[in-house]
Amino acid sequence: DAGVIQSPRHEVTEMGQEVTLRCKPISGHNSLFWYRQTMMRGLELLIYFNNNVPIDDSGMPEDRFSAKMPNASFSTLKIQPSEPRDSAVYFCASKGTGQDTQYFGPGTRLTVL
Amino acid sequence: AQSVAQPEDQVNVAEGNPLTVKCTYSVSGNPYLFWYVQYPNRGLQFLLKYITGDNLVKGSYGFEAEFNKSQTSFHLKKPSALVSDSALYFCAVRDPDNFNKFYFGSGTKLNVKP
Repeated sequence: DAGVIQSPRHEVTEMGQEVTLRCKPISGHNSLFWYRQTMMRGLELLIYFNNNVPIDDSGMPEDRFSAKMPNASFSTLKIQPSEPRDSAVYFCASKGTGQDTQYFGPGTRLTVL
Repeated sequence: AQSVAQPEDQVNVAEGNPLTVKCTYSVSGNPYLFWYVQYPNRGLQFLLKYITGDNLVKGSYGFEAEFNKSQTSFHLKKPSALVSDSALYFCAVRDPDNFNKFYFGSGTKLNVKP
């Protein structure tokens, strides 16, 4: 299994631009999570999906952030418009039904200038 | 509210010496506790977990963790550290009411010197 796949690995953009981060979970996993990691705030859960349905988006910082999961093998996290304070590493993780363990992707390092 | 605390930002040990990375937790109900490791430019990797049973849990790469209910702690240990163990370590607790929600500690950077 290739594990959780995220793209791009690095993204540098200018303030005000739209940013789309992509994630492919492990095949057969039915839960998908988006996290943000910063030095100041550590690892924060932004949103998670169960069977492609968003269950808890209470961690999404504001309306500029949105996430979708159109099918079991693909999810996106979009920031529009982006701001310098959005600079962070964004992780996607997936988990199978009844499993305790989340499997993390390699992350996307986002820099907003 | 559920939470974990990692009181040390950084732990330094010499190769071959035992290591301990501390974690304390606060949870309503039975704790489900986890340790993850993050190597540079990589995602978090699962090390071990405590759900129930024996208080000493063994995991990957020779790591183990001791669950202590009275002290609400779940410290990560290894008898003999390797330079390759140098990484960022995260303790996490799962919400007992929501099996999909995890709360991570702030992380502890482990430096193992030759």
